[in-house]
Amino acid sequence: DTGVSQDPRHKITKRGQNVTFRCDPISEHNRLYWYRQTLGQGPEFLTYFQNEAQLEKSRLLSDRFSAERPKGSFSTLEIQRTEQGDSAMYLCASSLVTGLSSYNEQFFGPGTRLTVL
Amino acid sequence: DQQVKQNSPSLSVQEGRISILNCDYTNSMFDYFLWYKKYPAEGPTFLISISSIKDKNEDGRFTVFLNKSAKHLSLHIVPSQPGDSAVYFCAASAAADSWGKFQFGAGTQVVVTP
Repeated sequence: DTGVSQDPRHKITKRGQNVTFRCDPISEHNRLYWYRQTLGQGPEFLTYFQNEAQLEKSRLLSDRFSAERPKGSFSTLEIQRTEQGDSAMYLCASSLVTGLSSYNEQFFGPGTRLTVL
Repeated sequence: DQQVKQNSPSLSVQEGRISILNCDYTNSMFDYFLWYKKYPAEGPTFLISISSIKDKNEDGRFTVFLNKSAKHLSLHIVPSQPGDSAVYFCAASAAADSWGKFQFGAGTQVVVTP
């Protein structure tokens, strides 16, 4: 399977605990994105990387959230001191951006569903 | 601030008929628009896109129309099939953001009935 993969698919944690999610993008893709989706809403942008560089962070990404893409391949999203409001589906996507192609669709993974008790 | 809006949360259509999904946006900087389809327990899947230099793009049963003056786009599915039953999201991005982030609408649940 050469699509975007995410691990774990489901995570249940208690309020105050730290959680970390992993995303493996399509191998040749240089951009990687994180989104959050809550019930009845579309995905909300959190942050994105081009290779190792984190180019933009949403205001939704509080200080408790941190994302890394250390070698320009996989990425991790960590949430510290989780709150019940963090319960959501966390989606990862990747895309290939070149000098020849400004427009590009993002390919999404299946998501990690987080439940904070 | 919700810059991309899908005002119809649901749509029911008979198999073989046309499905028309609508999307409105407020940010005039948006210049690239996409439609995604989502089944339960899966991530969104890209369907079709259109850049602001066009007003129509067609791919098989799917056609997207863009009306820049009205800040409105629509997705037509003809003919509708039972496998089209899913949630459909429209998304928009801008050159000013290096097309790096998509703004999504809240989605429209489509149900295709026999």
